Amino acid sequence: QKEVEQNSGPLSVPEGAIASLNCTYSDRGSQSFFWYRQYSGKSPELIMFIYSNGDKEDGRFTAQLNKASQYVSLLIRDSQPSDSATYLCAGTSPYNFNKFYFGSGTKLNVKP
Amino acid sequence: ETGVTQTPRHLVMGMTNKKSLKCEQHLGHNAMYWYKQSAKKPLELMFVYNFKEQTENNSVPSRFSPECPNSSHLFLHLHTLQPEDSALYLCASSQEFVGGSQETQYFGPGTRLLVL
Repeated sequence: QKEVEQNSGPLSVPEGAIASLNCTYSDRGSQSFFWYRQYSGKSPELIMFIYSNGDKEDGRFTAQLNKASQYVSLLIRDSQPSDSATYLCAGTSPYNFNKFYFGSGTKLNVKP
Repeated sequence: ETGVTQTPRHLVMGMTNKKSLKCEQHLGHNAMYWYKQSAKKPLELMFVYNFKEQTENNSVPSRFSPECPNSSHLFLHLHTLQPEDSALYLCASSQEFVGGSQETQYFGPGTRLLVL
């Protein structure tokens, strides 16, 4: 069983719409979760982290964490073509906080 | 320079060659990581160093040999690699774990490796 799972997509949304990216995790002990964006041929860059239940907003991005249901989501409001990338969800191991488990990523296409 | 840097950015090597990848972080972090990213696969953690001590070796073949001389530098020594080792090798760093944002890992640009 994969520790972190994501739908590989691609997820296609029109420009200006809300893009919703989801991630589930298997280990209830995982504490912190991260969303990274990775453009093709580039390295991952951090968008947001969350470790408390509920919502966390940063500009057009909102991360949501539901520990009871073991899912994490990322909402992108007013999606732009420049948001087109692969979004990686990661969670920390409950036994070693230096150890991240990454999902395989969801490819997002924002159509002009 | 700022952030996490990696050299070389691209590397082509034969199966009998020996080469090394270098990573340097300018963020004052104490933990450094090597990841492998192959096409259409999740990021695979290879090695973790915390305060220069290796704390994780994720069942990586011995043809990959890490070295961490200090908290700012990390090397990955490569020898007798196989074509299936061709991938993007990413270095990352983070602060000592305290909780929350302290765990955040910052990635270098990666080394694109091709083994012929």
